[in-house]
Amino acid sequence: KAGVTQTPRYLIKTRGQQVTLSCSPISGHRSVSWYQQTPGQGLQFLFEYFSETQRNKGNFPGRFSGRQFSNSRSEMNVSTLELGDSALYLCASRVRLAGAREEQFFGPGTRLTVL
Amino acid sequence: GNSVTQMEGPVTLSEEAFLTINCTYTATGYPSLFWYVQYPGEGLQLLLKATKADDKGSNKGFEATYRKETTSFHLEKGSVQVSDSAVYFCALSVQNTGNQFYFGTGTSLTVIP
Repeated sequence: KAGVTQTPRYLIKTRGQQVTLSCSPISGHRSVSWYQQTPGQGLQFLFEYFSETQRNKGNFPGRFSGRQFSNSRSEMNVSTLELGDSALYLCASRVRLAGAREEQFFGPGTRLTVL
Repeated sequence: GNSVTQMEGPVTLSEEAFLTINCTYTATGYPSLFWYVQYPGEGLQLLLKATKADDKGSNKGFEATYRKETTSFHLEKGSVQVSDSAVYFCALSVQNTGNQFYFGTGTSLTVIP
């Protein structure tokens, strides 16, 4: 079974631009979560989508948005990029286990550098 | 609220040394507990998990026991290898928050030959 794929793996943008990152979950997984990882803040939860609906949202400004398509693929968009948005953006595919507990599987991440 | 606290690194050990990375948690419900590992340049990989008290998760020589009485999930390995050098994250998820995951800040481990 193929794992979580994220594209692109690396991206360089300049301040003020916008960027779109893509994530394809493991086949059959309907939930996708996004995280931002930086050396100073660690892993921070951005949002989670399930069946094309945002189910949870972290504490990020409105410049960060996402969506999920009917095939469970997800995109996140960051508008008006700032230097502080430079980070590794991780996507996780989630699956429901017995007893309504869940497990996450991560993709390799997209390394975004804002100049 | 829900949170995870893990020991700060970096941790440097010689090959074959014993490893312990401490992790404690607070949770509003009954959490599932996880350890993830991140190798350089890669995403996070699930290392092991435990879903109820006294469960022991194990994988690749690593172990962690879900201790409800001490709200802990310490990661241990009896004999580390150079290939274990990575960043380790403790995490929890709680059903009553929509299974949102909460991560610790990560502990960097370097194993030297």
